[in-house]
Amino acid sequence: AQSVAQPEDQVNVAEGNPLTVKCTYSVSGNPYLFWYVQYPNRGLQFLLKYITGDNLVKGSYGFEAEFNKSQTSFHLKKPSALVSDSALYFCAVRDQTGANNLFFGTGTRLTVIP
Amino acid sequence: GAGVSQSPSNKVTEKGKDVELRCDPISGHTALYWYRQRLGQGLEFLIYFQGNSAPDKSGLPSDRFSAERTGESVSTLTIQRTQQEDSAVYLCASSPNAAGANVLTFGAGSRLTVL
Repeated sequence: AQSVAQPEDQVNVAEGNPLTVKCTYSVSGNPYLFWYVQYPNRGLQFLLKYITGDNLVKGSYGFEAEFNKSQTSFHLKKPSALVSDSALYFCAVRDQTGANNLFFGTGTRLTVIP
Repeated sequence: GAGVSQSPSNKVTEKGKDVELRCDPISGHTALYWYRQRLGQGLEFLIYFQGNSAPDKSGLPSDRFSAERTGESVSTLTIQRTQQEDSAVYLCASSPNAAGANVLTFGAGSRLTVL
């Protein structure tokens, strides 16, 4: 079975500071991993994905995520947070073999404080 | 179309009524997904289609919920005898196909309020 855990409902960070939004996953095989963002009153948007290869994935708006197979994690990071990064962030996983569904975590609300 | 279109954007209904929510995916996308997002909560998987077939219906909460897709295009999510706990935003997404690392493109959602 596939599952995703986002252990923090809320993350607060000061503008200019680095941010991390945590995600751990569980799949029977190798994972495809994704981050999506939901800005206020807007639809979900794709940020980045991990397929294979380099463990550090770079995405939109200066975000990056690090795949760690031993810790089954895919934490989202940004070196310097902007107020405009405040949004709801979702991690998602799909097993590379078997079911083609995409499972989402419960989301983490990021608030960047000016 | 250029994006995923959902209608209605807002629906207010009385408990016990039936509702239909429509999703028009990106042209050529063979995979279509329905999710539910209750207020302040995460995305709850409902069902996905590959073409007109639904390989995974495991997320449908009860037999009051059903979905169909025709012509590998438009999909309709039907909720019969609505209950207050059905109040949520229903999100539709499509992707080129259901396999691999294909990215989902989401619609703006249909907000359902059951009084």
